[in-house]
Amino acid sequence: QSALTQPRSVSGSPGQSVTISCTGPNSDISPYNFVSWFQQYPGKAPKLLIYHVTKRPSGVPDRFSGSKSGNTASLTISGLQAEDEADFYCFAKGNGFTGVFGTGTKLTVL
Amino acid sequence: EVQLVESGGGLVSPGKSLRLSCTASGFKFEASTMHWVRQVPGRGLEWLSGIISTGRFEDYADSVKGRFTISRDNGRNSLYLQMDGLRGDDTATYYCVKDIGETFWAFEYWGQGTPVNVSS
Repeated sequence: QSALTQPRSVSGSPGQSVTISCTGPNSDISPYNFVSWFQQYPGKAPKLLIYHVTKRPSGVPDRFSGSKSGNTASLTISGLQAEDEADFYCFAKGNGFTGVFGTGTKLTVL
Repeated sequence: EVQLVESGGGLVSPGKSLRLSCTASGFKFEASTMHWVRQVPGRGLEWLSGIISTGRFEDYADSVKGRFTISRDNGRNSLYLQMDGLRGDDTATYYCVKDIGETFWAFEYWGQGTPVNVSS
């Protein structure tokens, strides 16, 4: 299964909003809405930000939100902060008991 | 506090085998689907394998199917990854990952990772 497609990089200024897209090869990126988003700092393990397209684990600020339309999922970060600068990965469960990550996006806070 | 501690990584020659272990604590291990995910240095994440709570079902990414085997021992709160026929492109950091529940496909907790270097 090929990796999901994400933009290599996005940027924004503090206080602004940015959106990261995640595109799959089929008409529906994940038919059962098993789409997640992760934030990863250099040298650290990834952290779960969003699961099941829109749900946030406890402790994740509501500045992070997810959505899905057809073959594309999106992560929006509003009220951008300096500490948001990191790599972001999407994940989608495919057919059967398998899944695939996105190619990753580097967020730069200007 | 949830903890996942991987071990067993290291330097191994191509074609050889390695067994990774993950010791879990701080949650009901026997109630969670568990996964292995790897990351090549400086590159992206790759889902490798998952196993349901009872251990009666698992599956693999095409890149490791037939070479890697996932298993678990709920009595020991441990997850394993047997890696056979290792190749250079298996060089990566390997993470043990806890699902939020049973087949939620929400990777809630990650270990610190154990590095595997396949080289002659």
